[in-house]
Parts: sequence; C-alpha cells; structure tokens
Amino acid sequence: GAVVSQHPSWVICKSGTSVKIECRSLDFQATTMFWYRQFPKQSLMLMATSNEGSKATYEQGVEKDKFLINHASLTLSTLTVTSAHPEDSSFYICSAREWYQETQYFGPGTRLLVL
Amino acid sequence: AQSVTQLDSQVPVFEEAPVELRCNYSSSVSVYLFWYVQYPNQGLQLLLKYLSGSTLVKGINGFEAEFNKSQTSFHLRKPSVHISDTAEYFCAVSGNRGSGGSNYKLTFGKGTLLTVNP
Repeated sequence: GAVVSQHPSWVICKSGTSVKIECRSLDFQATTMFWYRQFPKQSLMLMATSNEGSKATYEQGVEKDKFLINHASLTLSTLTVTSAHPEDSSFYICSAREWYQETQYFGPGTRLLVL
Repeated sequence: AQSVTQLDSQVPVFEEAPVELRCNYSSSVSVYLFWYVQYPNQGLQLLLKYLSGSTLVKGINGFEAEFNKSQTSFHLRKPSVHISDTAEYFCAVSGNRGSGGSNYKLTFGKGTLLTVNP
C-alpha cells in the first residue's frame, strides 16, 4: 500500500517552455501533497504544500508564479514549471499523505533538464 | 522550528559489518522521527518511523533505530550490512499531532551516503 507515482520520470525541454509534472496516489486518498526539489548530492528542499481543493502554500523564496501547483483531486497533484530556464533543472519529488496519517510517502521523482 | 543534523556525510563500511548512522534533532515541540533511504535516481523509501511508545523501532531490511529524548537523537543501526544497502539515508523530523501538526511538514537532514564495500 501507500504507492505514489510521478510522470514523467524525466523530461528535457527548451528554455522558455512550460513543463507539467504529475503526482498520483495510487491506493489512498492524498489530502495533502508536498513538492520537493533536490539538487545533486543534496537534501530535499520543500517547495510547497497543497491540500486538496485549496491553494498551495509555498515556502519562503519559492516563486509561486513560476511553480504552479494544482491539487484538484484526492489522487492527483500537478506541478507546472512555467517558462523554464536552465537553473530550473533539478530532480523534483512529490510526496503525499492521507488526512489521518503522520507519514509522507514519496514518488520516484522527475528529473528535469532545461536546455 | 525544527532542525536535523546528520553528523556523517559519508560512511564507508565493509560487507557484513555493523553500521550506525547518526541523527540529532532540535525542536521546540514534540516530534515524530523518520528515516528514509534513497537509491540513485529514485524517490525516498520509508525505512522506519518513531511516533510514540517503544523507543526502539524496527524497520524494513533489518534496520532499527532508537529514539533518545534526552540526547535528542535517533540513530539508525544495522548489525550486518549488504552491498545492496549502499544508498543515501535521510533522517527527518516533523511536529507531532499534539503540536499542531502543520500538515506534518518534514525537515530533513543533509543525508548520509552509506557505501558498502565487498
């Protein structure tokens, strides 16, 4: 149980384009989802927290107009990187938890390369 | 606010040797504690967690950890490691249910790279 998937697993795009990453909870209802960014050989940096049906809460320093998060259903959250630039290249990981759970379950990650 | 310190960035060990990965935390509220493992180019997998009760918790793959409130530590141990245990290990903390939860946001340590050599 508690499986989280992400799609795509990797994506290469040109600078200036937008990229959408999906995060799905496959066998539970994800009332809360989290989006993280991880640079090579570093820890995870929380970007934002989203509760189903509500606007996402962004961490300090994260541009909400650049990283659009939508959590429209209990099984799906999307992260859209708008007007991507090379500095947005990174490993993006989502996690999810059900309302009564203390534990976050993580997706396999999406590697984004912006050329 | 919470913080997590993983004292060793890299731990090399030989196969079948015991290992301890150290984790200390700081928090103004009561906490939940977690260890996650990350294999190359993958997401995080939960190894074990401490929520309440017994301070010795057992997880998957033969790992265990002990919560020490007085020393604010949650060290991860395995009595005999395998080559397949080579990975990055992250300790994480969140506020507990009684502290207001705050969606149980996790604060991660910087990670410890465990390398098991033959």
